[in-house]
Amino acid sequence: QLRLQESGPGLVKPSETLSLTCTVSGDSIRSTSYYWGWIRQPPGKGLEWIGNIYYSGFTYYNSSLKSRITISVDTSKNQFSLNLSSVTAADTALYYCARPSYYYDSSGPGVVFDIWGQGTMVTVSS
Amino acid sequence: SSELTQGPAVSVALGQTVKMTCQGDSLRSSYATWYQQKPGQAPVVVMYGKNKRPSGIPDRFSGSSSGNTASLTISGAQAEDEADYYCNSRDSSNDHVVFGGGTKVTIL
Repeated sequence: QLRLQESGPGLVKPSETLSLTCTVSGDSIRSTSYYWGWIRQPPGKGLEWIGNIYYSGFTYYNSSLKSRITISVDTSKNQFSLNLSSVTAADTALYYCARPSYYYDSSGPGVVFDIWGQGTMVTVSS
Repeated sequence: SSELTQGPAVSVALGQTVKMTCQGDSLRSSYATWYQQKPGQAPVVVMYGKNKRPSGIPDRFSGSSSGNTASLTISGAQAEDEADYYCNSRDSSNDHVVFGGGTKVTIL
């Protein structure tokens, strides 16, 4: 059974870099069928896609965060990571790692995040 | 434009039908996926593709789409359906992902 688990500091100071890791268990991160992704949710607010990465290192980033994001993959550890630089209080959120499946159905394409981690809360504060 | 718009809230009496919508340009060329999120839990997929339900999702959940609008309907809403519902899709031009703002469903 595939499981995702986020880890990282729960408190980050303003202007510093937020670093989180997602450990994948139950399947290889090298699976050619899937990307791996990050999503966040500020307290009391909706979901925001951050970015996705393929095991080869190919990435898609949210345009609004692109200048501050780096998503990387470590296939030897079956992990992928998120770095978000120059954080402010607006980056305080519950951060999820998840598995996005891109597909083409009979009438068109879609994407579904079918497996999620439990989420890790990150607070930006001095 | 890579934005999805959802109504903020809807309420429905127990056993009645509720329909929520998700609008955006990306839906003209991409399917919506719908997620249910209960307090303190990660989102769970309830609908994707052309009216496809993952295993374990009751058949009272159904989906449809027309033009730039996708809809999720709960027929015979149950108390356990009270949750926030989010839609997402992919931008077919660059494969980026977008989420809607969510709809809070209250069962009366």
